[in-house]
Amino acid sequence: LAKTTQPISMDSYEGQEVNITCSHNNIATNDYITWYQQFPSQGPRFIIQGYKTKVTNEVASLFIPADRKSSTLSLPRVSLSDTAVYYCLVGDKGNTGGFKTIFGAGTRLFVKA
Amino acid sequence: DVKVTQSSRYLVKRTGEKVFLECVQDMDHENMFWYRQDPGLGLRLIYFSYDVKMKEKGDIPEGYSVSREKKERFSLILESASTNQTSMYLCASSFGMETNSPLHFGNGTRLTVT
Repeated sequence: LAKTTQPISMDSYEGQEVNITCSHNNIATNDYITWYQQFPSQGPRFIIQGYKTKVTNEVASLFIPADRKSSTLSLPRVSLSDTAVYYCLVGDKGNTGGFKTIFGAGTRLFVKA
Repeated sequence: DVKVTQSSRYLVKRTGEKVFLECVQDMDHENMFWYRQDPGLGLRLIYFSYDVKMKEKGDIPEGYSVSREKKERFSLILESASTNQTSMYLCASSFGMETNSPLHFGNGTRLTVT
């Protein structure tokens, strides 16, 4: 089962900042938090990843509080092309030593003009 | 850039057929994954492999098998296709065995079983 919980959908307008919060109450000590973006008919694409505090890249920022039980993806000044499904996930060790990554249902972001 | 290539974009097969979905990655990644994606259910992990000839079941392995004879290639096999296996299938790869290794996805194979 996915180890994360996030809102099913969100609406926004062009130019606004969008924050999507994800909860991961059972996150393990070694787990990183990773966000992906998926457009229709494409595979998910890596956006950002973090372990604690704040991470920023050219696309987004990721805020992780000290207890690491949640995280917030922040998209500055969204445009219509940011309409997509956003997945928050953490890793999980498999039984034979390898790791597997479990996706939840994601958050469908719809950006309006 | 990492490239993950799935051999077919669209496939139509009949019930009972044996189906092979092929995936190749070009970045020498250790880990490879097969997911299926259905409306309202998100991505569900079928199988993954962290080394050649190694495989591990994901959350929904029933009705599927996999093969990894070479590091760059990971095949998903439907031994006897059924209509409930109609879905979008996504292959992914990642480097290393740490959970901070991002997944790189192919663009998917949309399989229809009639």
